[in-house]
Amino acid sequence: AQSVTQLGSHVSVSEGALVLLRCNYSSSVPPYLFWYVQYPNQGLQLLLKYTTGATLVKGINGFEAEFKKSETSFHLTKPSAHMSDAAEYFCAVRRGANNLFFGTGTRLTVIP
Amino acid sequence: EAGVTQSPTHLIKTRGQQATLRCSPISGHTSVYWYQQALGLGLQFLLWYDEGEERNRGNFPPRFSGRQFPNYSSELNVNALELEDSALYLCASSLGTAFAWGNTIYFGEGSWLTVV
Repeated sequence: AQSVTQLGSHVSVSEGALVLLRCNYSSSVPPYLFWYVQYPNQGLQLLLKYTTGATLVKGINGFEAEFKKSETSFHLTKPSAHMSDAAEYFCAVRRGANNLFFGTGTRLTVIP
Repeated sequence: EAGVTQSPTHLIKTRGQQATLRCSPISGHTSVYWYQQALGLGLQFLLWYDEGEERNRGNFPPRFSGRQFPNYSSELNVNALELEDSALYLCASSLGTAFAWGNTIYFGEGSWLTVV
């Protein structure tokens, strides 16, 4: 079954530094991949998604992710971290007809 | 346009009691999903409803149940509450075929259930 693995449960970066959150997937079919963000005490917000087409996907808040089939990866990046980016980030993959399988999440801390 | 709305925001129950959580999907969405986010366990899929029918359920005991109403809103019922049921319960919605034509699953802000 389709699944994702997020490497690193906690990531800390300095304000202005590059953000890199790692996600590797496992899928026997072409995957649909997603990144969601969860701010403290809130629900999940879709950052970006890859279904088909262009492998570099741009999302909200300056985030982007690149689908790399050869590496089975879908890492999330942002060139310059902002304090407001501090949150928990979840990678997810479509599983079955109408469901998402989530990774365990990566908590991003931004250091001033 | 209103997003997915959930109520109550917080709920405190005693072990053994029943809890009912409610969800209103985005207008036009026919599918509703429930997820549990428990501390240390991540996001776990609970239930999926579409057009009033339960289409799929995750690996949870039968005391977790729910239903979807004709207006596509949904409720999640948890019977015989146990301490480990304490979690954030997230509801999400999508158009019927969530992954066709770029449709996506959208989440509400969740209901915090505390079992004491």
